[in-house]
Amino acid sequence: NAGVMQNPRHLVRRRGQEARLRCSPMKGHSHVYWYRQLPEEGLKFMVYLQKENIIDESGMPKERFSAEFPKEGPSILRIQQVVRGDSAAYFCASSQNGAYEQFFGPGTRLTVL
Amino acid sequence: GESVGLHLPTLSVQEGDNSIINCAYSNSASDYFIWYKQESGKGPQFIIDIRSNMDKRQGQRVTVLLNKTVKHLSLQIAATQPGDSAVYFCAVYSGAGSYQLTFGKGTKLSVIP
Repeated sequence: NAGVMQNPRHLVRRRGQEARLRCSPMKGHSHVYWYRQLPEEGLKFMVYLQKENIIDESGMPKERFSAEFPKEGPSILRIQQVVRGDSAAYFCASSQNGAYEQFFGPGTRLTVL
Repeated sequence: GESVGLHLPTLSVQEGDNSIINCAYSNSASDYFIWYKQESGKGPQFIIDIRSNMDKRQGQRVTVLLNKTVKHLSLQIAATQPGDSAVYFCAVYSGAGSYQLTFGKGTKLSVIP
């Protein structure tokens, strides 16, 4: 039973480019969460999605960032016109419907040059 | 909102000794608490959880203690091993209806052989 999958594991972008991060939840999980982690910091909540719905995006910057979880396929976190301050590790987690426990993927480390 | 803090950013223990990692939270409505272990370059790994209707929960070599009066949480690791070296985070749900996990900054545990 595969865990949460994220790709790419490492992503390098130049300022102004777009970054697309993908997350496939654990089998049977319909809830996806995205978190951002800066060096030496804890994880910060960004957005919570269920299939085709954004439930809570209170932690996501209003501009340049968007997330989706389509009916088919992985969840996507999209960052447009990246800036150096976007450099961080981005983690996806998933949970079963109604469950508290969130299982995390290995993360995508984004570096903006 | 919720804030979560750790008492010590780093902790060094001798192999075989017991480790205690502490965490404080701010929201008295918080009802679910999780300890995660994060090894370098990896995503957070679930260790143990506890609900607010409990004071103590034990797992294999780990014990979590919850003191709701002072809003304090601790993780005890018995007979610490080199493989326990990692950063440990406490994470808190802020009450009914909330799906955001609020993370502390983490304690880096180093085990001395």
